Order: sequence, then C-alpha cells, then structure tokens
Amino acid sequence: TQLLEQSPQFLSIQEGENLTVYCNSSSVFSSLQWYRQEPGEGPVLLVTVVTGGEVKKLKRLTFQFGDARKDSSLHITAAQPGDTGLYLCAGAYNFNKFYFGSGTKLNVKP
Amino acid sequence: GAVVSQHPSRVICKSGTSVKIECRSLDFQATTMFWYRQFPKQSLMLMATSNEGSKATYEQGVEKDKFLINHASLTLSTLTVTSAHPEDSSFYICSASAYRSEEQYFGPGTRLTVT
Repeated sequence: TQLLEQSPQFLSIQEGENLTVYCNSSSVFSSLQWYRQEPGEGPVLLVTVVTGGEVKKLKRLTFQFGDARKDSSLHITAAQPGDTGLYLCAGAYNFNKFYFGSGTKLNVKP
Repeated sequence: GAVVSQHPSRVICKSGTSVKIECRSLDFQATTMFWYRQFPKQSLMLMATSNEGSKATYEQGVEKDKFLINHASLTLSTLTVTSAHPEDSSFYICSASAYRSEEQYFGPGTRLTVT
C-alpha cells in the first residue's frame, strides 16, 4: 500500500485550463515536497511546505499544505504545454525518511 | 546550487556482469543519499538510504548483496548492481540531502539495460 495517494493518476487537458492535483495520507509529515519529472530525467524540486495551512506560489503554481500536515494540493492556473510531466509529492519524516506519492501524469495539449 | 550528478547516464551490460553507478553532490555536503528505482510510468521506489560512513539501510524486499551501496564521502555514493539480470533493467535515480535538511535533490538518473 502507498503511504501517499495522489489523484488523479492521469490528467489530459487543453492549454489554458486550470487543474488541481491532490496528495493525501493518513500520516502526519514534518514537511512535504512537490517535484516535476520529465521522461528520462530525475525529478526536480518545485517547493517544500512545512507549516500546516501554508500556501506557496510559484508563478502559475499554487501549493497548499493541509492544516493537519497530512495532505497537500497543487493547483496550476492556465496550464501550458511546458507543464507536461509527472508530478510527484513526497512526505518527509525527521530529516531522513521520504515517502513518494504514486504520481500524477499531466499532459497539456496545445 | 544543490546539483547532483550521476554517472553513467546510460549503460548496457551483459547478464551476469556487475555495474557501478556513481552519484555525486557537486556543491553541497550530502550526509544522506538515497537510491531509487523507477519503472516506466510509475513513481519512485526507494531502494536504500545511506549515511556517510555508515552501512546503508535497505528497504524491505531489496537484496543488499545484489545492490551494494557505498557512501564513502560526503559527496559520493555508489550503487553496484552485482550479477545483473535482465529483470534488473530499470531507471536508477539517486538523491542527496544535506544535514538535517528535509529537501532532497535528485540526480539525472541512470538507464540500465541488461541483455
């Protein structure tokens, strides 16, 4: 069983649409990270959220950490083809343990 | 900052041989390095965690004698796949984390193909 569940698993949308990806767990994490990975490459860190209820913005991307630090969401406004990729959330425990979500494969069509 | 390199990026080897993959943190000291395996269109599966100067901690189901991990310095960890078989073919990715940091930075990955 996956400690972190991401939804949806696959998302195919048109350029300009908005979308939200969810990352849920029954466990409490000390922090949570979001990554984007393109085929044949390693994941690239997008953001780290630490405080319950925290909201961070990165251009058109908005990240939120749940109040109880068990879940997170990633919202993309006006998606572009360059946003296409595999989005991964990862929960961290005590500086030394990370658990990855199942991943969300996003395809943005021009 | 926070650059991690991996070498080689691609390797093809014959069944029964061993392959070594290097992971280096280029601009920070990585007290902890992680090794992951990723199957096509799937998320990352953690294989092992290594702390500099200590033995690696392997996840359940990962054979420590088959996947040898050495973390000899604060900037280098190696993964050796011993007696490789076709089922070991995969994308192997390392990541590195600094002391008491909850962020990890990934290498570009190594595509291993065993024929």
